[in-house]
Amino acid sequence: EVQLVESGGGLVQPGGSLRLSCAASGFTLSGYAMNWVRQSPGKGLEWVSYISSSSYSIYNADSVKGRFTISRDNAKNSLYLQMDSLRAEDTAVYYCARVRLDSSTYRIDYWGQGTLVTVSS
Amino acid sequence: QSVLTQPPSVSAAPGQKVTISCSGSSSNIGNYYVSWYQQLPGTAPKLLIYDNNKRPSGIPDRFSGSKSGTSATLGITGLQTADEADYYCGTWDNSLSVGVFGGGTKVTVL
Repeated sequence: EVQLVESGGGLVQPGGSLRLSCAASGFTLSGYAMNWVRQSPGKGLEWVSYISSSSYSIYNADSVKGRFTISRDNAKNSLYLQMDSLRAEDTAVYYCARVRLDSSTYRIDYWGQGTLVTVSS
Repeated sequence: QSVLTQPPSVSAAPGQKVTISCSGSSSNIGNYYVSWYQQLPGTAPKLLIYDNNKRPSGIPDRFSGSKSGTSATLGITGLQTADEADYYCGTWDNSLSVGVFGGGTKVTVL
């Protein structure tokens, strides 16, 4: 059974940093691209960041460019999101997601349960 | 403002049918397959439809998808109270090099 379990969320002050982790199990992480997607309270889904299976390709939303860094450790079956210079508008539930992306298709076939990040003084 | 446009809400009585539209452009829906996600209250989203019209294992055939040009549609027939949820369309935008979602549509069973 595919499982994605996020951790590392919490309360942080504006300008602070936080590192999210996602533990993957039930599949071989090295065979899949991964994504972070967030959802602010009461709002819709917002795509955040993508990393290919080998870390060769990385894409980020404009809203987090220069502040968030996605990375992975396939040997540890783990995905990460380093979040720096946090702002109030980064407050959201952050979902780890398994992705398929090629020349014609993009889909998220599994989602974690999410971890809440609150940016507030 | 979402790159993909969905109606904020749709509603119908139990047993009826609803359709949800998702409008994009040539750089996203026009060039990529569309997926649909269901988010039940208080839970993570779940893949409902992929590659425009394919259903993952376990998804009932009451759910269907289609695409034409730069728009896609999700259909739900035989509406049930368990279908009350938010529904999102999603795809890739090769001009922006990012994934994109619609703003979400809340389905209410009257």
